[in-house]
Amino acid sequence: AQTVTQSQPEMSVQEAETVTLSCTYDTSESDYYLFWYKQPPSRQMILVIRQEAYKQQNATENRFSVNFQKAAKSFSLKISDSQLGDAAMYFCAYRTPYGGATNKLIFGTGTLLAVQP
Amino acid sequence: NAGVTQTPKFQVLKTGQSMTLQCAQDMNHNSMYWYRQDPGMGLRLIYYSASEGTTDKGEVPNGYNVSRLNKREFSLRLESAAPSQTSVYFCASSSTGSTDTQYFGPGTRLTVL
Repeated sequence: AQTVTQSQPEMSVQEAETVTLSCTYDTSESDYYLFWYKQPPSRQMILVIRQEAYKQQNATENRFSVNFQKAAKSFSLKISDSQLGDAAMYFCAYRTPYGGATNKLIFGTGTLLAVQP
Repeated sequence: NAGVTQTPKFQVLKTGQSMTLQCAQDMNHNSMYWYRQDPGMGLRLIYYSASEGTTDKGEVPNGYNVSRLNKREFSLRLESAAPSQTSVYFCASSSTGSTDTQYFGPGTRLTVL
């Protein structure tokens, strides 16, 4: 069975600095999708970024980028120029590529990010 | 653009009471999901529906039932609530396909006393 591990329960970063959140996963599949979701105090789950395993290029969305290491099964999230609004719980998630009824997400336990002014 | 909506936002029940959590999406998605979120455990899948008229169990289905009323709506029912069902419940939806992304509702915080 696939598993997702986030080993950092809490992280802190100074405003305008860069922080990296770690995520590792275990799967026997060769093709899959990886996601980072942000959950602010409002509880809303917001998609931050996604990565397809078959793509070698790391995904980037504005200040958010990933370091995808397929062989190491590692998927870290880098937040550059951190802002106060980035403070939230961040979840790493995995999904098989098959779609349909198997399209369920497997989540890590989350990393709570604090941003210090 | 409403996306995925859930009602109610908060609910307090007594042990043994029943209730239904409602979820609706306006994105014409085929697939819908119910997750629960507990402290330190991330989100876990309760039930999902790949299309209208079909439902399947997820990781933690015990104590729950679901109904896919139509393409837009997917409800979660607790027949006899237990304190172990105190949690935050999220509904999500996605289109059917290998590249689809799940979009989440705002969640329902349920407390069972």
